[in-house]
Amino acid sequence: EVQLVESGGGLVKPGGSLRLSCAASGFTFSNAWMSWVRQAPGKGLEWVGRIKSKTDGGTTDYAAPVKGRFTISRDDSKNTLYLQMNSLKTEDTAVYYCTTRRKYCSSTSCYFPFDYWGQGTLVTVSS
Amino acid sequence: QSVLTQPPSVSGAPGQRVTISCTGSSSNIGAGYNVHWYQQLPGTAPKLLIYGNSNRPSGVPDRFSGSKSGTSASLAITGLQAEDEADYYCQSYDSSLSGYVFGTGTKVTVL
Repeated sequence: EVQLVESGGGLVKPGGSLRLSCAASGFTFSNAWMSWVRQAPGKGLEWVGRIKSKTDGGTTDYAAPVKGRFTISRDDSKNTLYLQMNSLKTEDTAVYYCTTRRKYCSSTSCYFPFDYWGQGTLVTVSS
Repeated sequence: QSVLTQPPSVSGAPGQRVTISCTGSSSNIGAGYNVHWYQQLPGTAPKLLIYGNSNRPSGVPDRFSGSKSGTSASLAITGLQAEDEADYYCQSYDSSLSGYVFGTGTKVTVL
């Protein structure tokens, strides 16, 4: 059974830092492209960023609002994904989910939707 | 802000059919990127409902169907049931943003 378990959320002051972790099990983590998605209270889903597998280059991409402040990394030996958040702003307050793609193939194409999600961890940025 | 626009809410009586639109642009849906749909019940993580524009994962009732045309996509729910009351999000990829994008979200209310 696939499991993604986030941790590390909490209350932090504006300008502060926080590191989230996502422990993965039930699948070959080293082969997975992992993403972080957040949801501000009462708002919609927002993709934060992604890290590819090392075999696919291990590169990262970020959404514009967090680029330069957030860093995604992975430790394949520990099956763990990280999100280092610096220079936090009040608008970063959200539940942060880690998620990964699952490959679905039809007779003609393959697709990679986000199919596995953690339960989320709440980050509150407030003075 | 999201580049995929959905109506904030739709509603219907039990048994009725409702549709949710997802309007994008030439850099995402119109560029040929696939659309996926997610259902989110209150206080829970999103759940994949439709992948690759119109395909249902195993276990998703066939009351849910998806389609895509041009720069838009749609999710239809037929035979609406009380348990379908949730938030629904479309998702795709945007080449100009070099990242994934979600729709603004639609709350479905069963009257």
